[in-house]
Amino acid sequence: DIQLTQSPSSLSASVGDRVTITCRASQRISSYLNWYQQKPGKAPELLIYVASTLHSGVSSRFSGSGSGTDFTLTISSLQPEDFATYYCQQRYSTPSFGQGTKLEIK
Amino acid sequence: QVQLVQSGAEVKKPGASLKVSCKASGYTFNKYAIHWVRQAPGQRLEWMGWINAANGIPKYSQKFQGRVTITTDTSASTAYLELSSLRSEDTAVYFCARGFDVDSPKDAFDLWGQGTMVTVSS
Repeated sequence: DIQLTQSPSSLSASVGDRVTITCRASQRISSYLNWYQQKPGKAPELLIYVASTLHSGVSSRFSGSGSGTDFTLTISSLQPEDFATYYCQQRYSTPSFGQGTKLEIK
Repeated sequence: QVQLVQSGAEVKKPGASLKVSCKASGYTFNKYAIHWVRQAPGQRLEWMGWINAANGIPKYSQKFQGRVTITTDTSASTAYLELSSLRSEDTAVYFCARGFDVDSPKDAFDLWGQGTMVTVSS
């Protein structure tokens, strides 16, 4: 099974900050990496798929990059509604998720 | 309205079986896949399996093989997750999710149910 490791596991930031979350795969997965946002008590929501394609309706302040084993999710200017937990997911093989990155207000 | 609506919370005793439903509306059910993902309290998302709603063929995570069954009723646009031999470690929120690029590595889960809380306790 492919393991995904996110860093950091938690992050404190302020409104307006630029933040980057990384996801590292245990083996090469081409660009088959997705990002989700989850708020407490809610289902995850798709943000980005195939590493860098923005899902319909998602704000352009979210962007993704990477291929192979190393990927990043960047939020260009944090808004209050962005404080949540973010998960990466690979679809190269049997789906798996990272452990999550909790983004909190500083 | 495009949505997945799941059945309500369940409390089960160890050793019992569980069946959760996921009703789709607002889109053509058999053009997509349905995946099941669970999340234990404070834990990461864990994929359990999926079913191609076009042909009814499921695929399961090895972790749950032998305990899990995923089925569909296309006439009702509904998918089902069954999990047997429940134990306390199965306490979690269970989500169904739509996969938009069936059986492709470009797939992602673009629509999610609201989640079903399952508690396993004696």
